[in-house]
Formats: sequence, structure tokens, C-alpha cells
Amino acid sequence: DQQVKQNSPSLSVQEGRISILNCDYTNSMFDYFLWYKKYPAEGPTFLISISSIKDKNEDGRFTVFLNKSAKHLSLHIVPSQPGDSAVYFCAASSTGNQFYFGTGTSLTVIP
Amino acid sequence: DADVTQTPRNRITKTGKRIMLECSQTKGHDRMYWYRQDPGLGLRLIYYSFDVKDINKGEISDGYSVSRQAQAKFSLSLESAIPNQTALYFCATSDLNFNGLTDTQYFGPGTRLTVL
Repeated sequence: DQQVKQNSPSLSVQEGRISILNCDYTNSMFDYFLWYKKYPAEGPTFLISISSIKDKNEDGRFTVFLNKSAKHLSLHIVPSQPGDSAVYFCAASSTGNQFYFGTGTSLTVIP
Repeated sequence: DADVTQTPRNRITKTGKRIMLECSQTKGHDRMYWYRQDPGLGLRLIYYSFDVKDINKGEISDGYSVSRQAQAKFSLSLESAIPNQTALYFCATSDLNFNGLTDTQYFGPGTRLTVL
């Protein structure tokens, strides 16, 4: 059973606009969340993380929001750039040992 | 040079064959992981190891085995490959955060395995 879900397989956004990628989870014990970015023929690379003691974490153009009551997190990219076009995975952990990944959202930023 | 390398990058094999995928890292991390990626299913954890003497099963370990030959090397074996093991396989390493738990994972480039 998928504990971490990304319900949008794909998303297209105009360059300069905001990209919002969503992730839902079912396990209320998850307390650490990460976003990874993946280009074709490469492994995923870490983007940003958030602990459950926070509801927001920001790093440059990337902001992750966590809504624990809704078991929902989102990644905001603003402004979006063509180089942001990639597949984005969210991941969650409750023990800090095993991470559960979502199915990924393919983002296309249109120049 | 890449911090996490995987060999081979691509492999085609036949049902019933034994195959080994290898992973090496130069990051000096103790923790290493094997994942597989399938379309529509994301990445799923097969096995993980916290040091040379510590091996743990992940979500989908059936049909797989691993060997941690050294801190830097973690191999994944398919004893008798079957077609539904066709997937993209990723190795990853991680350090510990200030809480002593797994921090960011660093992934290799992946191995595309096809079982005919």
C-alpha cells in the first residue's frame, strides 16, 4: 500500500510562474520529509527537506510547506525556470532509517 | 569522479540467470541502500545497510540478496532473475543528521535491468 502519494503524474508551467507540486501521506508517524529532483539517466538528487516540527522551510527559489493535520506537503518553485524541468519525488520517514517515496511528478517548465 | 557509482549501467539477462549489481561510494558514508524504480510506483526500498555487519530488509526484499563487502561497497544479487524484476535500480548512501538519523541520501546513476 502506497504510504506516500503524488497524485499528479505531470505538471506544465510557464517560465517565471510558480510551480506547485503536491504530496500526500497516510502514516501519521512520518516526521521527516524530503523532496528529490531527477533528470533522465541520472539518480535523484536532494532538493529540500522539512522536519515535522516545522511547517515551512525555504531555500532560495524552493519552499516546502507541511500541513500535518492534512498529511500533506507541497513544494513551491518560484520563479520556475526551464532547468527545473525534471521528475520530482517526495519522500517520508518515521524512523530516519527507511524512506518511503512517492510515485513522482514530471514538471515541464515552458520557456 | 562520481561519488556513488553503479555497474553495470545497463544489463539484459534471461529468466533464471543469476545477476549481481554493484555499487561503490567515495563519500565515506556508513549507510547504503538499494531501491528499484518502476513506472507508476516510484522508488521502493529493497535492502539497506548501516555498516558492514548490519543488513536490513526493506519493503520488497523477496527475490533479492545483498552483500556489504566493505564500507564503500554494497552489492545486490538476483539469484534467479524473473521478468517482473525488470526495473531501474538505484544505490544510495547517506550520512547521519544531528539526531543520529539518516540524513540526505545520495543516489547513484542507476542500473537499467531487463529480464527476458
